[in-house]
Amino acid sequence: QKEVEQDPGPLSVPEGAIVSLNCTYSNSAFQYFMWYRQYSRKGPELLMYTYSSGNKEDGRFTAQVDKSSKYISLFIRDSQPSDSATYLCAVHGSGNTGKLIFGQGTTLQVKP
Amino acid sequence: EPEVTQTPSHQVTQMGQEVILRCVPISNHLYFYWYRQILGQKVEFLVSFYNNEISEKSEIFDDQFSVERPDGSNFTLKIRSTKLEDSAMYFCASSEAVGPGYGYTFGSGTRLTVV
Repeated sequence: QKEVEQDPGPLSVPEGAIVSLNCTYSNSAFQYFMWYRQYSRKGPELLMYTYSSGNKEDGRFTAQVDKSSKYISLFIRDSQPSDSATYLCAVHGSGNTGKLIFGQGTTLQVKP
Repeated sequence: EPEVTQTPSHQVTQMGQEVILRCVPISNHLYFYWYRQILGQKVEFLVSFYNNEISEKSEIFDDQFSVERPDGSNFTLKIRSTKLEDSAMYFCASSEAVGPGYGYTFGSGTRLTVV
């Protein structure tokens, strides 16, 4: 079983739609969860960081973690064409070295 | 906003040659990392570096790979004898610390093409 699994998409939505992106992870020892956005030929850019079950909101973005089902979600409200990118979920490895384990990434296209 | 700088942006090398990828992390960051992303695949951890030594490395990071922090600002990844399968985007990242609230800043990457 892969440590972090993410549907690669692609996902295409109209402008203004609510987008739901999801990941599952296998190791219950994982505690810290992140969402990154990656534009083509660029490095990942940190969007949200959470370390507990529940919701965390930042503007149009909401990150949700359900540790009981090992499920991570990112919701984007009022999606914009500029949100078109690849979204990567990531978890901290179980050690204390800072290693991140990434999902495959979901490619999102928001059409005007 | 502080950023992680990587050079070169694109490097083409012949199989068997040595390459050095260079990174300048954010100045007050203490943890440094290399990741790679083969085209169409996930971002994969290679190595983490703290206090002038490797703190963790992946199975990918075999004897052909090495990292160095030769001075107070640069962080390099050396591939001793490149293979075709080393072709990928290589990302450097740094963080101030490890733990809640400490995100990572990634550079824009070096695209390595081995021919």
